[in-house]
Amino acid sequence: DIQMTQSPASLSASLGETISIECLASEGISSYLAWYQQKPGKSPQLLIYGANSLQAGVPSRFSGSGSGTQYSLKISSMQPEDEGDYFCQQSYKFPFTFGSGTKLEIK
Amino acid sequence: EVQLVESGGGLVQPGRSLKLSCAASGFTFSDYNMAWVRQAPKKGLEWVATISYDGSSTYYRDSVKGRFTISRDNAKSTLYLQMDSLRSEDTATYYCARHLTVYFDYWGQGVMVTVSS
Repeated sequence: DIQMTQSPASLSASLGETISIECLASEGISSYLAWYQQKPGKSPQLLIYGANSLQAGVPSRFSGSGSGTQYSLKISSMQPEDEGDYFCQQSYKFPFTFGSGTKLEIK
Repeated sequence: EVQLVESGGGLVQPGRSLKLSCAASGFTFSDYNMAWVRQAPKKGLEWVATISYDGSSTYYRDSVKGRFTISRDNAKSTLYLQMDSLRSEDTATYYCARHLTVYFDYWGQGVMVTVSS
């Protein structure tokens, strides 16, 4: 199985701050990478797919980048509603696997 | 509006069976591959199974292969997960999810499955 190593595990950011979350795949995944946001008690929401394509309805302050085995999610100008857990996911091969998550809080 | 509504969860003893359902609305169900994804309490996400739009192909993670069966009824716009020989490690919230190509663009609210004696 492809292992997805996500960092950091937790992060505190001030309003307006730019933050980045990283995801490292155990092998190349050819940009078959998605990012999800999950708020407490809610189901995940797709933010980014194909490493850098913004899902419809997602604010433009979210962006994704990367290639090969290294990928990142950037949030430009942290907003209160951005608090939550973030997960990366590879869809390059079965079984699809997720990163262990990053808890993002407001400082 | 796309809606996915899971049902059928609950408390079940180890070794017993449970069948989850996911009622879909707001889109043409038969056009999309569908999946089940689970999340153990306070843990991360784990893909469980995927079924093709017409039900002809299914894919499972190894830990559930031979115990779980994903199926669909396109006439009823409903996805199913038959879970047999349940184990304590199957305890989780189970989400029904729609595939956007190989990603998951819509998720249900989730249904809790607890396997315990």
